[in-house]
Amino acid sequence: QQQVKQSPQSLIVQKGGISIINCAYENTAFDYFPWYQQFPGKGPALLIAIRPDVSEKKEGRFTISFNKSAKQFSLHIMDSQPGDSATYFCAAQRVNSGGYQKVTFGTGTKLQVIP
Amino acid sequence: NAGVMQNPRHLVRRRGQEARLRCSPMKGHSHVYWYRQLPEEGLKFMVYLQKENIIDESGMPKERFSAEFPKEGPSILRIQQVVRGDSAAYFCASSPANSYGEQYFGPGTRLTVT
Repeated sequence: QQQVKQSPQSLIVQKGGISIINCAYENTAFDYFPWYQQFPGKGPALLIAIRPDVSEKKEGRFTISFNKSAKQFSLHIMDSQPGDSATYFCAAQRVNSGGYQKVTFGTGTKLQVIP
Repeated sequence: NAGVMQNPRHLVRRRGQEARLRCSPMKGHSHVYWYRQLPEEGLKFMVYLQKENIIDESGMPKERFSAEFPKEGPSILRIQQVVRGDSAAYFCASSPANSYGEQYFGPGTRLTVT
């Protein structure tokens, strides 16, 4: 129930194209859904996040679409650029009984944007 | 405001030695999380600590691994008698008390066991 399934494992997109990464979860107690971006040799950095009371959130070229009934959410990168080449992790968080946010990460998608 | 600091960035240990990984959270952050990332895999939660307290260690192996976050100084993840399977990147993240979501990650320590 704690799993977050992410697909695809890897993705190659041409410059200017749309990159789409999908995630699905089981636990309806999750209440915060962030996406992290990780460049080689670096730690993950928060890219964009959404709460389950909205269906979409957009920040610049990055959009999260959230389908609460299907328990799915996705990241769309519009006008993909070579600088977007990185590994992207979806995540789901819930307030644990101890009162803190416990994060469950997806397995990651390695995105390569080719010129 | 400096970010989360981790040291060393790279650590090589022989089988059977001890590894000590340090994490200094962002200024004002009192919550620290440790994650392990195996090559080509996602991040796995290991332990969550507040100052002087281990809150959740459900992701920590039962043996050889321990963590602390003393009143003064960095958080330490300690791995005793390392084995080759411990080779991974270990990330620390921090968050302020009463925050809703974001965790701020450090650059990681890459442990190689030879």
